[in-house]
Amino acid sequence: DIVMTQSPDTLAVSLGERATINCKSSQTVLHSSSNRNFLAWYQQKPGQPPKLLIYWASTRESGVPDRFSGSGSGTDFTLTISSLQAEDVAVYYCQQYYGSRPWTFGQGTKVEI
Amino acid sequence: QVQLQESGPGLVKPSETLSLTCTVSGGSISNYYWTWIRQPPGKGLEWIGYVYYTGATDYNPSLKSRVTISVDTSKNQFSLKLNSVTAADTAVYYCAREGNGWYNHWGQGTLVTVSS
Repeated sequence: DIVMTQSPDTLAVSLGERATINCKSSQTVLHSSSNRNFLAWYQQKPGQPPKLLIYWASTRESGVPDRFSGSGSGTDFTLTISSLQAEDVAVYYCQQYYGSRPWTFGQGTKVEI
Repeated sequence: QVQLQESGPGLVKPSETLSLTCTVSGGSISNYYWTWIRQPPGKGLEWIGYVYYTGATDYNPSLKSRVTISVDTSKNQFSLKLNSVTAADTAVYYCAREGNGWYNHWGQGTLVTVSS
């Protein structure tokens, strides 16, 4: 199985400041023929299911604010919240969907103010 | 807008079978992969397995010997059975619809506690 490791586990950011979450996969999730990275990001607030933010490593889901952006390729990825809002307090997960299942999630990064 | 709703017992005794159903509304169950994912309290997300609308399945190897996922297209539902449960199976169980690998539609989740 591909192991996804996020850092840090917890991130404290002031309102209006940038938040950066890292995700590293144990093997590449870049599909060479399509040149796409098979990686998604989710936001989970307490008592709610995860919400899809980004897929293909950098494509924002419809309705997701543009302060959320994804970058990276191969094995190293980043989710950036450009200007943290109070409603962004949540746990964020990366997920790979490369190759055969099981598709796996990172352990989560808690973003707090 | 597609909506998913889990249903089933919230308490299961050790060694018994956990059974949950996910009802899909606002869209057809056809042409998609339907997935179960669980989250132990305070922990991360674990993919359990999927069923395609044709009935094809795939399961997490760590659970494969105990899991069955099935689909009932006439009812727009799919189901999870996990047998021989222990306290380690206590979790919030989510049903979800897979896009092209990602999950863009989720149920609200249901907490299942394994306890005597």
